[in-house]
Amino acid sequence: QSALTQPASVSGSPGQSITISCTGTSSDVGGYDYVSWFQQYPGKAPKLMIYDVTDRPSGVSNRFSGSKSGNTASLTISGLQAEDEADYYCNSYTSSSTWVFGGGTKLTVL
Amino acid sequence: QVQLQESGPGLVKPSETLSLSCTVSGDSNSDYYWSWIRQPPGKGLEWIGNIYHSGSTNYNPSLKSRVTISVDTSKNQFSLKLSSVTAADTAVYYCAREAGYDEYYIQYWGRGTLVTVSS
Repeated sequence: QSALTQPASVSGSPGQSITISCTGTSSDVGGYDYVSWFQQYPGKAPKLMIYDVTDRPSGVSNRFSGSKSGNTASLTISGLQAEDEADYYCNSYTSSSTWVFGGGTKLTVL
Repeated sequence: QVQLQESGPGLVKPSETLSLSCTVSGDSNSDYYWSWIRQPPGKGLEWIGNIYHSGSTNYNPSLKSRVTISVDTSKNQFSLKLSSVTAADTAVYYCAREAGYDEYYIQYWGRGTLVTVSS
């Protein structure tokens, strides 16, 4: 299985919105509504931010939202804040009953 | 609150077998899938495999020939063995718990443990 494709980096200014894409295939992202997004700070474990494409766990800010179209899922962060600067990973269930991650995107808040 | 804690040697010699355990606390219900995930220094996340409480397993095809995941529900533990390791297996290894029956997301993570492969 190949890793999902994410941009290596994105950036935005405080208050702006950014979107991170995650492209897979019909065997993973396109085939299931089981895409998650994780936020990771350096030296820390990943934290679940979005699951089932659009759902937010309790306690996650509503500035984080997810969507999907075809084989591409997206994470949008609105009202960008300095604390959002981190690495973001998408994750999808696959037709082989396995999981696959994206390569990760480094978000810089300018 | 569910907590997961990885344990095992931090240094493994090339060609030997890496062995890690994950101890779960805070939830006596074992009816979940339990995963191992790794992250080489400065790189992205890689899913290694998972196991259901019944013992059913799924593995990353790229690692399948070298990986064994087992579970001991009586001890609230599950384990990872990765054979014939090389420097490329140097990574932070995380154990994790998926959300539950018919739910498809990785919900809880351990803090991770760094395993270095070196002679």
